[in-house]
Amino acid sequence: DIQMTQSPSSLSASVGDRVTLTCRASQSIRSYLNWYQQKPGEAPKLLIYRASSLQGGVPSRFSATGSGTDFSLTITSLQPEDFATYYCQQSYSSPRTFGQGTKVDVK
Amino acid sequence: QVQLQESGPGLVKPLQTVSLTCTVSGGSITRGPYYWSWIRQPAGKTLEYIGRISTGGRTDYNPSLKSRVTISLDPSKNQFSLQLTSVTAADTAVYYCARDDDSDEKFDSWGQGTLVTVSS
Repeated sequence: DIQMTQSPSSLSASVGDRVTLTCRASQSIRSYLNWYQQKPGEAPKLLIYRASSLQGGVPSRFSATGSGTDFSLTITSLQPEDFATYYCQQSYSSPRTFGQGTKVDVK
Repeated sequence: QVQLQESGPGLVKPLQTVSLTCTVSGGSITRGPYYWSWIRQPAGKTLEYIGRISTGGRTDYNPSLKSRVTISLDPSKNQFSLQLTSVTAADTAVYYCARDDDSDEKFDSWGQGTLVTVSS
């Protein structure tokens, strides 16, 4: 299985901050990397697919980049509704695997 | 817009079989290019892929669960189902059904999730 490692595991930030989350794969996954946002008690929501493509309806303050083994998700100007846990997920091979998540909370 | 809704028992005894159903509305489960997937999440932990089934009935299971998992389609009801046998406390989790867009390899629509607790 491909292991996905996210860092940091948690971070504290303020509204308006720029935050960057990282995800590393245990082997090359080309651009087969997705990002999800999950709030407590809710299902994950797709934000980014194929490493850098913004899913429809997702605000443009979310952006992502990367290929191979190293990826990042950036939120410019953090909004109150962005405090949540973020997961990366590889879709290069089966079984699909997720990172352990990065929790973004209020500073 | 497609919507998914899980249903099933909330409490299952150890070593029993849990059966969950996902009802899809807003689109036919026989139309591609989609796979229909199950994913679970124990409390406070990350997400775990269980498996998926194509519109044509082809399945793909996580090797860690493969011996205990069956995913099937019921086009007449626009549903797909998960059976997990010989459950233990380690199978206690929120179970999500999701649509896997095979063209972009992404889980783009999710059900709200259903909690399954394994306890005697």
